[in-house]
Amino acid sequence: GEDVEQSLFLSVREGDSSVINCTYTDSSSTYLYWYKQEPGAGLQLLTYIFSNMDMKQDQRLTVLLNKKDKHLSLRIADTQTGDSAIYFCAEKSNYGGATNKLIFGTGTLLAVQP
Amino acid sequence: DSGVTQTPKHLITATGQRVTLRCSPRSGDLSVYWYQQSLDQGLQFLIQYYNGEERAKGNILERFSAQQFPDLHSELNLSSLELGDSALYFCASSQTLVGGDTQYFGPGTRLTVL
Repeated sequence: GEDVEQSLFLSVREGDSSVINCTYTDSSSTYLYWYKQEPGAGLQLLTYIFSNMDMKQDQRLTVLLNKKDKHLSLRIADTQTGDSAIYFCAEKSNYGGATNKLIFGTGTLLAVQP
Repeated sequence: DSGVTQTPKHLITATGQRVTLRCSPRSGDLSVYWYQQSLDQGLQFLIQYYNGEERAKGNILERFSAQQFPDLHSELNLSSLELGDSALYFCASSQTLVGGDTQYFGPGTRLTVL
């Protein structure tokens, strides 16, 4: 089956690190993504990780993947007020014969306090 | 700017009506995906086209249909609209179908059914 879960809300202070967590169920997922959605805007691709990797770093973003536990996390270092948004975890799924559709989590609302 | 364009940005209509949402993929992208974002269902995959042919279907209602034209733009048709169809509809595109092929999202069309 396909299911992606995230905690709904995270509040941090400006300058702190934020860690957003995600769990997924499809063990055949090959790619996992993080997207950002600001109020009234579309989805912006932040980063992605291939399933044979444990970690990927991209400037202030660090993605950790624990394939055994099907757990993905996104760490944002030195969080800024401009990082306030909803963050979606997504897995690329070929479940049921579909090709490369994305299964999205519920989204985590990150609120950064000045 | 992802390079994916969607029109219109906003659409307000009445129950029972029919609307058409339009998407132009990024230059060179052959695959188009449609997603629906609503408060109760979250972000859900609807349908995928590749080079003019339907490739995968998700949770798409029978009242909804889509097509991809020879110039690769796509249209999503929603008919016999109900209040519950009010949502943000996203189009995404990718180059091919292969794994690792990133999907880039358009800004979305916000549909309000009154």
